[in-house]
Amino acid sequence: DIVMTQTPLSLSVTPGQPASISCKSSQSLLHSDGKTYLYWYLQKPGQPPHLVIYEVSNRFSGVPDRFSGSGSATDFTLKISRVEAEDVGVYYCMQSIQLPRTFGQGTKLEIK
Amino acid sequence: QVQLQQWGAGLLKPSETLSLTCGVYGGSFSGYYWSWIRQPPGKGLEWIGEINQSGSTNYNPSLKSRVTISIDTSKNQFSLKLSSVTAADTAVYFCARPGTEVWGKGTTVTVSS
Repeated sequence: DIVMTQTPLSLSVTPGQPASISCKSSQSLLHSDGKTYLYWYLQKPGQPPHLVIYEVSNRFSGVPDRFSGSGSATDFTLKISRVEAEDVGVYYCMQSIQLPRTFGQGTKLEIK
Repeated sequence: QVQLQQWGAGLLKPSETLSLTCGVYGGSFSGYYWSWIRQPPGKGLEWIGEINQSGSTNYNPSLKSRVTISIDTSKNQFSLKLSSVTAADTAVYFCARPGTEVWGKGTTVTVSS
């Protein structure tokens, strides 16, 4: 299985300040089709995960442009340029290049 | 806009079989793999398995011996059965298309004697 390792596991950020979450995979997520199958989700209490970023760096429809994703192969980052109160929750990275699909442990973002 | 609606029994006794169904509404059913994913209380997400409209399945090896995912294309539904449940199977179960925004709301399943 591909192991997805997120750091940090928790983050407390002052509104308006940036935040960054790292996700490292145990194998490359670059497919022979040229795509890299790395996704970022945000889960709020009592809700299913909501897609934030797909294929490393593409913001899903309606996601504010303060969210950005970057990285390649095995090393990925989700950045929030200026954290807002609505950004709180648990962020998960997920790989979809190999079965079984696997998720990172989650990073809990709180507001100071 | 595709929506998933899921249902099934929420309280089971040890050794019973978990059974959940997910209906796909408002979009194409064909051409995709449809998954089941679970989340134990306070923990992360675990992919259980998937099926496509042809009935081709893939399962997580950690659960493969106990999992069956089936499909009813006439109703645009797919189902999960997990046999011989224990307290460790207590979780919120989601149907989803991973890699997309298409997720069910989740069903809480509790295994308790």
